[in-house]
Amino acid sequence: LAKTTQPISMDSYEGQEVNITCSHNNIATNDYITWYQQFPSQGPRFIIQGYKTKVTNEVASLFIPADRKSSTLSLPRVSLSDTAVYYCLVGFYSGNTPLVFGKGTRLSVIA
Amino acid sequence: GAVVSQHPSWVICKSGTSVKIECRSLDFQATTMFWYRQFPKQSLMLMATSNEGSKATYEQGVEKDKFLINHASLTLSTLTVTSAHPEDSSFYICSARDNRQALNEQFFGPGTRLTVL
Repeated sequence: LAKTTQPISMDSYEGQEVNITCSHNNIATNDYITWYQQFPSQGPRFIIQGYKTKVTNEVASLFIPADRKSSTLSLPRVSLSDTAVYYCLVGFYSGNTPLVFGKGTRLSVIA
Repeated sequence: GAVVSQHPSWVICKSGTSVKIECRSLDFQATTMFWYRQFPKQSLMLMATSNEGSKATYEQGVEKDKFLINHASLTLSTLTVTSAHPEDSSFYICSARDNRQALNEQFFGPGTRLTVL
């Protein structure tokens, strides 16, 4: 599994766009990049997944450069309810291969 | 998305007692479920992979005789913490992968907060 590196924490004001970058230098050809969000005392929730270029859904965008050695999760116009820990995971997960979580990024949104 | 439930959501027990936590996939079948443990301000730590109809696969350092896992059906896995002690107090989270999906998405339960007095 590819090792990932993310900032430990980030602060943002409400209404701003937040970009969280994840480094994964040893990503393998078959690996996907997946982001999860976790609120306190809850299980993680899937946000977005991508393989290359850009992926967008109703919650976030994921930017992946051509070399795929990093990725950026972009949260548009954050609100207080976006305060959570965001985990970047890299791997090819299927069947009985579990997700392995790194330390994640603790995002605090301030009014 | 698919729904995974856990029961109970929280439990307080005395040291030395055993506690069973249930994990259910409500609208899909899961041949494989996973159990994680999370201490305050820390990330999720994988404890074991639960396989329907066979023995669980435990991560290094996780005592299989202390954390008993049973995956008797395609929708239910249970984790029993035997002879619980205060150091077992933690947030236990299960997850499951929908067999119908081609790739990747793993659905998590809401977690169970265990407090051992």
